[in-house]
Amino acid sequence: SQTIHQWPATLVQPVGSPLSLECTVEGTSNPNLYWYRQAAGRGLQLLFYSVGIGQISSEVPQNLSASRPQDRQFILSSKKLLLSDSGFYLCAWSAQAETQYFGPGTRLLVL
Amino acid sequence: RKEVEQDPGPFNVPEGATVAFNCTYSNSASQSFFWYRQDCRKEPKLLMSVYSSGNEDGRFTAQLNRASQYISLLIRDSKLSDSATYLCVVNIGGSQGNLIFGKGTKLSVKP
Repeated sequence: SQTIHQWPATLVQPVGSPLSLECTVEGTSNPNLYWYRQAAGRGLQLLFYSVGIGQISSEVPQNLSASRPQDRQFILSSKKLLLSDSGFYLCAWSAQAETQYFGPGTRLLVL
Repeated sequence: RKEVEQDPGPFNVPEGATVAFNCTYSNSASQSFFWYRQDCRKEPKLLMSVYSSGNEDGRFTAQLNRASQYISLLIRDSKLSDSATYLCVVNIGGSQGNLIFGKGTKLSVKP
């Protein structure tokens, strides 16, 4: 069966510090991968998606970036965090654009 | 007009009650539809897909009206464990599987 992992589970970072969140998927090949952010009281916002290694599409302009160095690894990064980057970051996978399944998420607080 | 709209609630109901959630979507080209459940501070989890003919899974019944661009979820015989936020989700298509999430309807089932 497929499983999706995210780490860290929680993170507290100062403004201006870098960020690296990791997501890995097991039990499937060539998945579509997604990064979402859910801010307090708001819906899920798609940040990035990837249909293959090295292929990244960005949905919204921001100071975040994503990379997919391996088939089942998706990384969300920032060089300098802003207060507005605080939120619940969720990675998801799908098989050929079908139903998406979410990882446990990373809760980020930028102070 | 928002792409996926839901009544935010909260819906406070006693155990055993029947509760219905509604959702409307704006993109008439939407291809598939889902209900996800999200527990507090957890990731969303797929509850059920929604088919044109309507579908049932135990105490849960989902309906789709494409003409009215309307989706519903009915929960019968509510349990305490049904307390969660229910997200209406629409797939507007594309190779990347573009899901649009509603902000969710919060349900609280009381003893």
